Amino acid sequence: SQQGEEDPQALSIQEGENATMNCSYKTSINNLQWYRQNSGRGLVHLILIRSNEREKHSGRLRVTLDTSKKSSSLLITASRAADTASYFCARSDTGRRALTFGSGTRLQVQP
Amino acid sequence: DTAVSQTPKYLVTQMGNDKSIKCEQNLGHDTMYWYKQDSKKFLKIMFSYNNKELIINETVPNRFSPKSPDKAHLNLHINSLELGDSAVYFCASRGAGANTGELFFGEGSRLTVL
Repeated sequence: SQQGEEDPQALSIQEGENATMNCSYKTSINNLQWYRQNSGRGLVHLILIRSNEREKHSGRLRVTLDTSKKSSSLLITASRAADTASYFCARSDTGRRALTFGSGTRLQVQP
Repeated sequence: DTAVSQTPKYLVTQMGNDKSIKCEQNLGHDTMYWYKQDSKKFLKIMFSYNNKELIINETVPNRFSPKSPDKAHLNLHINSLELGDSAVYFCASRGAGANTGELFFGEGSRLTVL
């Protein structure tokens, strides 16, 4: 199964700015999830959006899903230096019992 | 009270050696996974067990052998280590009846083969 594509690969912004990361895929999905990985640490689940949902919010996070375009985006508003990390989308493909991860976006938030 | 714990965190060894990584979860989850993260940060599924039964076995060399003595533990044994096995190996778990839910990851085990 193909890994998803994420863009940009790397993003550098100033504190207070918004950060947008995109994820594209080619399969049929049950849901799409976003994870965060701090340097040298494990992945932490951020948010899950089901295939019949279009938008979801959690604190400063906003996720959208467009199943017709097979794409999702993660928006982090009012970014903070502590948001510096790698962000991965992960899809739950129909009929598959493991998540397939995208290539990740490395976000650097400058204080 | 770490949810998913892996040991060791770091492992440096010579080519040809055999090594094991252990994983334990105290979340009461039924399904556990091993993922491999390479130097470019790509994460790839290797194995999955559900209640001690192997349910996913991706195209992984048979030098890699997972073992699940009970549903709270999933260990990974690697024989005849090669340079290309150098990576970070992550254990993860997922709750019962949650085929599509979130994964809980351990902190990773960084394997370096010299």
